[in-house]
Amino acid sequence: SAVISQKPSRDICQRGTSLTIQCQVDSQVTMMFWYRQQPGQSLTLIATANQGSEATYESGFVIDKFPISRPNLTFSTLTVSNMSPEDSSIYLCSVEEDTQYFGPGTRLTVL
Amino acid sequence: GQQLNQSPQSMFIQEGEDVSMNCTSSSIFNTWLWYKQDPGEGPVLLIALYKAGELTSNGRLTAQFGITRKDSFLNISASIPSDVGIYFCAGLPRSNDYKLSFGAGTTVTVRA
Repeated sequence: SAVISQKPSRDICQRGTSLTIQCQVDSQVTMMFWYRQQPGQSLTLIATANQGSEATYESGFVIDKFPISRPNLTFSTLTVSNMSPEDSSIYLCSVEEDTQYFGPGTRLTVL
Repeated sequence: GQQLNQSPQSMFIQEGEDVSMNCTSSSIFNTWLWYKQDPGEGPVLLIALYKAGELTSNGRLTAQFGITRKDSFLNISASIPSDVGIYFCAGLPRSNDYKLSFGAGTTVTVRA
């Protein structure tokens, strides 16, 4: 299966700032996804990161709040914009090969 | 995607015990997946099931794809301390769909 890395692994940020999370895969993959996992909760799909075009967002998530880039088949970024404490979560990228595999996650705390 | 009904929400294990958890859905799924998440880590795929009735093992783990295609279970035999963690079921309603629906998770801890 693909090896997925995320940076940063964790961060503590101030309210009103933005954080960009990077996801790197060791092989070319067509499908990449971004998920949010709020404390003590399950995973919720934010968007599908499409290579060369705009991401496809799920209901409740908008591009202005969570802009996503996918410049090539091995890399994607998710930005959490104008953060508030409610954005404190684990953010995970995943890739689809024969099935879905997840990165190690980025643990974000917003003060 | 829709939320899957996963139970139990939590369980305590004693080393050597067999434990079981399951997941149900109100609609048909074509793929069932079981993941384990350790603290501070991302979910790791344990078992993938693609056919109704399929029974698949991975070491001490066994999972089955229900015949109705609306449920799946995961068994852990002879549990050991490193089995603690959160187990998630996930499903895909269609073979060409990549949007996973997740259960709420089963938290497994060691009984004191």
